[in-house]
Amino acid sequence: KQEVTQIPAALSVPEGENLVLNCSFTDSAIYNLQWFRQDPGKGLTSLLLIQSSQREQTSGRLNASLDKSSGRSTLYIAASQPGDSATYLCAVNTGFQKLVFGTGTRLLVSP
Amino acid sequence: DAGVTQSPTHLIKTRGQQVTLRCSPKSGHDTVSWYQQALGQGPQFIFQYYEEEERQRGNFPDRFSGHQFPNYSSELNVNALLLGDSALYLCASSLVTGIEWNTEAFFGQGTRLTVV
Repeated sequence: KQEVTQIPAALSVPEGENLVLNCSFTDSAIYNLQWFRQDPGKGLTSLLLIQSSQREQTSGRLNASLDKSSGRSTLYIAASQPGDSATYLCAVNTGFQKLVFGTGTRLLVSP
Repeated sequence: DAGVTQSPTHLIKTRGQQVTLRCSPKSGHDTVSWYQQALGQGPQFIFQYYEEEERQRGNFPDRFSGHQFPNYSSELNVNALLLGDSALYLCASSLVTGIEWNTEAFFGQGTRLTVV
């Protein structure tokens, strides 16, 4: 059974810091991995999608990497801003669009 | 371009009642999946609809059922509500392109269900 773990569970940083969020999964047989952002009580906003054949994806200040063989992905956020405060979720696609999620990292960026 | 829309946004029901939640996928998408997110947890896969049929199902009891309509919109029905069914219910849509199923999933804003 695929299990996804995110570390740390919570993170508090001052504005301007670069930070790394970690995601690990137990079964390397995945089709892709997606990072999402969730604001309190809201839905999920897709940030980045990395296909299993890719190593990295970038969007603005966000960069996500994937090491499928070791079951790890990282989300790098450069020059963090208070507007980045949210919960970040990673999800692995185990086939046919079935996503298995981690429990998320709650990020607070202070001005 | 309209994204994934869900209705209603909030709902309060009594134990034992039945509830129906609705989802309209992103324009051009043909696959709809439903997830349940308990407070402080990641979303859990309930089931998925494609071509008006349930294609995959997670570890949820038969009290949870669904439907997909010809216009690709979908409903989630929950019977005999329990207190533990209180959660945020999320709908995700994607596009199946030929044999490529593993495309980007887009989520709606969710329906907050409270069972009292």
